[in-house]
Amino acid sequence: ELKVEQNPLFLSMQEGKNYTIYCNYSTTSDRLYWYRQDPGKSLESLFVLLSNGAVKQEGRLMASLDTKARLSTLHITAAVHDLSATYFCAGRWPSNYQLIWGAGTKLIIKP
Amino acid sequence: ETGVTQSPTHLIKTRGQQVTLRCSSQSGHNTVSWYQQALGQGPQFIFQYYREEENGRGNFPPRFSGLQFPNYSSELNVNALELDDSALYLCASGWDISSYEQYFGPGTRLTVT
Repeated sequence: ELKVEQNPLFLSMQEGKNYTIYCNYSTTSDRLYWYRQDPGKSLESLFVLLSNGAVKQEGRLMASLDTKARLSTLHITAAVHDLSATYFCAGRWPSNYQLIWGAGTKLIIKP
Repeated sequence: ETGVTQSPTHLIKTRGQQVTLRCSSQSGHNTVSWYQQALGQGPQFIFQYYREEENGRGNFPPRFSGLQFPNYSSELNVNALELDDSALYLCASGWDISSYEQYFGPGTRLTVT
């Protein structure tokens, strides 16, 4: 069974700082997703990581995947207030294409 | 804007009632998945439909059922509503079961009193 764990679950940081959110998964997943969710809103796709060593960057966010360690990271560089949101990672279980989600990391960036 | 719409936006129901939530996917999207997201938690997979057949199901009881129609719309039906069914219900559609991208709708907020 695929399980996905994120940490930290809550993160408060100052603008301009760097930080990393970690996503561990328990068994083989054929792809790893990162999503953003603003309060009361739906899910916005950020990255899809398909293979070991994959790295994707968009603005101040960079995601990477290490399939051997079963670990994905979402790195935030020089955070700005607009990045405040809840970030989810999700792994896709190859046997039935089901997405298994982490609990989310609530990120608050203070001016 | 993903092109996926859901209705209604908000809904209040009483325990024991039945509810139908609707999702309209982009033309050509053959798969639709439904998720339940309780407040402060990650989404939980309910089920997926592919070309109008159920293609996978999460750990939800049979009172959660669905339909997918040829016109790329779908429904989630929940019978005998319980207080714990209060959540944001999200649908997500995609081109095919193996395609890596899912497009999420805005969600329906269901409150059961």
